[in-house]
Amino acid sequence: GQQVMQIPQYQHVQEGEDFTTYCNSSTTLSNIQWYKQRPGGHPVFLIQLVKSGEVKKQKRLTFQFGEAKKNSSLHITATQTTDVGTYFCAGSGNQFYFGTGTSLTVIP
Amino acid sequence: DAGVIQSPRHEVTEMGQEVTLRCKPISGHDYLFWYRQTMMRGLELLIYFNNNVPIDDSGMPEDRFSAKMPNASFSTLKIQPSEPRDSAVYFCASSPTGSSAQHFGDGTRLSIL
Repeated sequence: GQQVMQIPQYQHVQEGEDFTTYCNSSTTLSNIQWYKQRPGGHPVFLIQLVKSGEVKKQKRLTFQFGEAKKNSSLHITATQTTDVGTYFCAGSGNQFYFGTGTSLTVIP
Repeated sequence: DAGVIQSPRHEVTEMGQEVTLRCKPISGHDYLFWYRQTMMRGLELLIYFNNNVPIDDSGMPEDRFSAKMPNASFSTLKIQPSEPRDSAVYFCASSPTGSSAQHFGDGTRLSIL
């Protein structure tokens, strides 16, 4: 069945360093969404990408959707302590799946 | 604006008991989703509704789980009988037609002893 995997599972960075999480699907996706979940909180929608090769930016966050619509990435420039949390991708194909998530720790 | 409202926030009960989780979606949202989150299995979609009709319940673990949406402003997820392995955080989310962005509630932290 369809699976959405993310790497890395965990990432520790020094404040100010960059961070990237990668999302890979076993099947082609019609769209991909990204969510952020703070510790003890609930997932919060960040963005949706629909088009092949699409790139979107939100301040220090850059989101990309692969040309084959089977992978995506989230890049954070110059991380801050407020970026701490788990970042999930979520893909729509035959079904809807959340990725396995990347837990980001930012060391002040 | 009120977001998705879930109750209870926490539930601790003994195995074998019936558990009912409740959700009020955002007014005007046509889609409602139930998720389960555990460390081992991550975020799992259990079931979702469109206009109060169950569309995909393939994620429901087994017959002990059931979900209903009697009207546009209320849904329940029931576990009967509950087992310790059902312990998890259960989230409800809603989204409007034409948008894939899901708005999550604060979740119910369920512990089955």
